[in-house]
Amino acid sequence: GQNIDQPTEMTATEGAIVQINCTYQTSGFNGLFWYQQHAGEAPTFLSYNVLDGLEEKGRFSSFLSRSKGYSYLLLKELQMKDSASYLCAAQRIDDYKLSFGAGTTVTVRA
Amino acid sequence: DAGVIQSPRHEVTEMGQEVTLRCKPISGHDYLFWYRQTMMRGLELLIYFNNNVPIDDSGMPEDRFSAKMPNASFSTLKIQPSEPRDSAVYFCASSLTGTGPTGELFFGEGSRLTVL
Repeated sequence: GQNIDQPTEMTATEGAIVQINCTYQTSGFNGLFWYQQHAGEAPTFLSYNVLDGLEEKGRFSSFLSRSKGYSYLLLKELQMKDSASYLCAAQRIDDYKLSFGAGTTVTVRA
Repeated sequence: DAGVIQSPRHEVTEMGQEVTLRCKPISGHDYLFWYRQTMMRGLELLIYFNNNVPIDDSGMPEDRFSAKMPNASFSTLKIQPSEPRDSAVYFCASSLTGTGPTGELFFGEGSRLTVL
């Protein structure tokens, strides 16, 4: 089965750093995705982790610990346009299906 | 390149009516997914296809829901009869296995369904 938890909301100031945590309990876990979804729009891919450790991509980084069933998405130098929902998704190894968390709404304030 | 194309973008219908949502995946992608998103339940996988064949429809809520993929460039999700609790945003997404198990999902803009 799948159980994915992430905080509902986070607020931060422009230029600051925010870390969004995600814990998962997934049978046959393969990898962890992060997607960004602006209000009224489709989710778009941000990152994918299959090995333990940190993956850095510009202002965004994602970390995975397979033994702890834990991931986080780090957003640095926050900009107003980063206000969005961030979805954590666990992928299964047998069929590669993604199961999404409920999403964390990040609000960036000036 | 065109992304995943969905239609209609918005649909308002009355309870009991048939609803058909359409999706054109990205050319060359061999996986197609239908998701439903609501405030209460988040993003839920309804069904997915590989090379036009339904692989897993365990997420389809009831027999009122059906999905087809007659060819590599077209899929439909049908609800008959529709009910108010079906109101949601329905997303279609496609991916390419050539990228291996890291296959990124490309989502369409979604179809926002309101059943009165």
